[in-house]
Amino acid sequence: GAVVSQHPSRVICKSGTSVKIECRSLDFQATTMFWYRQFPKQSLMLMATSNEGSKATYEQGVEKDKFLINHASLTLSTLTVTSAHPEDSSFYICSAVVGLGDTDTQYFGPGTRLTVL
Amino acid sequence: AQKITQTQPGMFVQEKEAVTLDCTYDTSDPSYGLFWYKQPSSGEMIFLIYQGSYDQQNATEGRYSLNFQKARKSANLVISASQLGDSAMYFCAMREAMDSSYKLIFGSGTRLLVRP
Repeated sequence: GAVVSQHPSRVICKSGTSVKIECRSLDFQATTMFWYRQFPKQSLMLMATSNEGSKATYEQGVEKDKFLINHASLTLSTLTVTSAHPEDSSFYICSAVVGLGDTDTQYFGPGTRLTVL
Repeated sequence: AQKITQTQPGMFVQEKEAVTLDCTYDTSDPSYGLFWYKQPSSGEMIFLIYQGSYDQQNATEGRYSLNFQKARKSANLVISASQLGDSAMYFCAMREAMDSSYKLIFGSGTRLLVRP
């Protein structure tokens, strides 16, 4: 299957700082990537759809000024959590779409665990 | 109404036995795709199997097979010959063709524990 990497895998930061998470498709180009958030023992919650060369599409209730998404190339999307607070502590996971049409599949990165002190 | 329903929060299975994880879905889109993902404790989401709404046969991938019953709107995952490494969370997901954004809708997940 396709490989998606995420960096860093784990980050601890102080309240008020910004954190950047990278999502890369390693062996394919992805015009569309997704960012999810997952709380313990819960399912994935879609935050936004990242489209190469255009603005991200945010889900209802997700603050676009707080969670900045940049999809600058066909292999890289970044999520920046600005002015992080303890309630932003969570598991963030990205995915990239392989293939277009009915049989497209999302492949996921390994996730980033963010802890805000 | 929930679009993807997984009614089993947790399941146990004895090693080497088969287990079925339930998933029902709700959509008015005639064209859709159904996916199963495995999430071990490390957190990564591993793609297991895909079933298209127009596929005539049930999808199979090694020890994984998808029991697709279109009229019942169910897409249960069957894992044969369970292994200890199968212990993980399993998520069922759906993508509707009407949604051009390729978004997946996830169920709440089922935690599977394989007993030695």
